Amino acid sequence: SQTIHQWPATLVQPVGSPLSLECTVEGTSNPNLYWYRQAAGRGLQLLFYSVGIGQISSEVPQNLSASRPQDRQFILSSKKLLLSDSGFYLCAWSVGGSGNTIYFGEGSWLTVV
Amino acid sequence: DQQVKQNSPSLSVQEGRISILNCDYTNSMFDYFLWYKKYPAEGPTFLISISSIKDKNEDGRFTVFLNKSAKHLSLHIVPSQPGDSAVYFCAASKDGGTSYGKLTFGQGTILTVHP
Repeated sequence: SQTIHQWPATLVQPVGSPLSLECTVEGTSNPNLYWYRQAAGRGLQLLFYSVGIGQISSEVPQNLSASRPQDRQFILSSKKLLLSDSGFYLCAWSVGGSGNTIYFGEGSWLTVV
Repeated sequence: DQQVKQNSPSLSVQEGRISILNCDYTNSMFDYFLWYKKYPAEGPTFLISISSIKDKNEDGRFTVFLNKSAKHLSLHIVPSQPGDSAVYFCAASKDGGTSYGKLTFGQGTILTVHP
């Protein structure tokens, strides 16, 4: 069966510091991968998605970037965090090529102080 | 522009009764709809989905109804159980299977089921 893991689970970072959240998927090949964010009191917002290695699409302009160095690895990064980057970040996957049903990881709480 | 809206921030229901969670959308291009359930500090869990070619889909205690003319869908939980207490998100996508799972989510509804 397929599993998805992301880490770290919680993170407290000062303003201006870098960020790296990592996500891996097991049990499937060539998945579509996503980064979502849930800000306080709001719904889930799609940040990035990837349909293959090195292929990244950004949905909203922001202070973050994403990379997919391997088929089942997805990384969310920032060079300098802002207070507004605080939130609950979720990695997700779906069947490659199609599949509107996406499956989420456990999430990572980021607090920028 | 909130294309998917869940206008009720919270819902309280007695155990054994029916829970009805509502969702409205504005984009007529949406053709696939999903419900997710989320516990605090965890990722959302997929519950049930429906394609726009159907008006009802049932899975155990969960039934989703779609009214395309009203751009409205609802999730029915019967009977409700205390373990159903969570945040429920409605989500929508367009272009059938080509949108690569890019979902637009509502704000969520907190469901509390009292014993």
